[in-house]
Amino acid sequence: AQSVTQLDSQVPVFEEAPVELRCNYSSSVSVYLFWYVQYPNQGLQLLLKYLSGSTLVKGINGFEAEFNKSQTSFHLRKPSVHISDTAEYFCAVSEAQAGTALIFGKGTTLSVSS
Amino acid sequence: NAGVTQTPKFRVLKTGQSMTLLCAQDMNHEYMYWYRQDPGMGLRLIHYSVGEGTTAKGEVPDGYNVSRLKKQNFLLGLESAAPSQTSVYFCASGHQGGGENQPQHFGDGTRLSIL
Repeated sequence: AQSVTQLDSQVPVFEEAPVELRCNYSSSVSVYLFWYVQYPNQGLQLLLKYLSGSTLVKGINGFEAEFNKSQTSFHLRKPSVHISDTAEYFCAVSEAQAGTALIFGKGTTLSVSS
Repeated sequence: NAGVTQTPKFRVLKTGQSMTLLCAQDMNHEYMYWYRQDPGMGLRLIHYSVGEGTTAKGEVPDGYNVSRLKKQNFLLGLESAAPSQTSVYFCASGHQGGGENQPQHFGDGTRLSIL
């Protein structure tokens, strides 16, 4: 079975500062990894995903994440955040095979202020 | 292109009432999922389906039933609603094929309150 731990429940930052949202996972099998964003009162939108290949994954809205197998981490980063990045971010993992569901972390609330 | 549509968007029930949440997708996806989202808990899988006519239990299935009679629809039923089922419910769908068969597509959610 897989599990996901998002290490920070809340991350407050100032506009134009860099940010890192941390995610660790555990699994005994190969996994796929994802980051989703949820804006207030909306559904989830896929930011980026790691399936295989390059460990540095680029997503939408200037976000990127790096898969580190030895540290079982998949941290999300953005070099300069905007007010509009204020949202809840979820890290998720699934087995690397067809049809398996996502296991989500508990979420990190990113609050960007001016 | 509607994607994943959930009906209704909001609902208030009394304890003991029953209701059905509808999820419809127009992307011809094989896989469909129901999650619930509670504060500080992330999303937890209730039930899922890997194809028409098949369903399986997820992490928190108790008190819920599901049906997938048509490929495009996935119904979530509450047999006898309880206050603990107050939550936001999300449906998701995904398609077959290599590493792309993940639930990348989510509906906007159904906010359900049980009094």
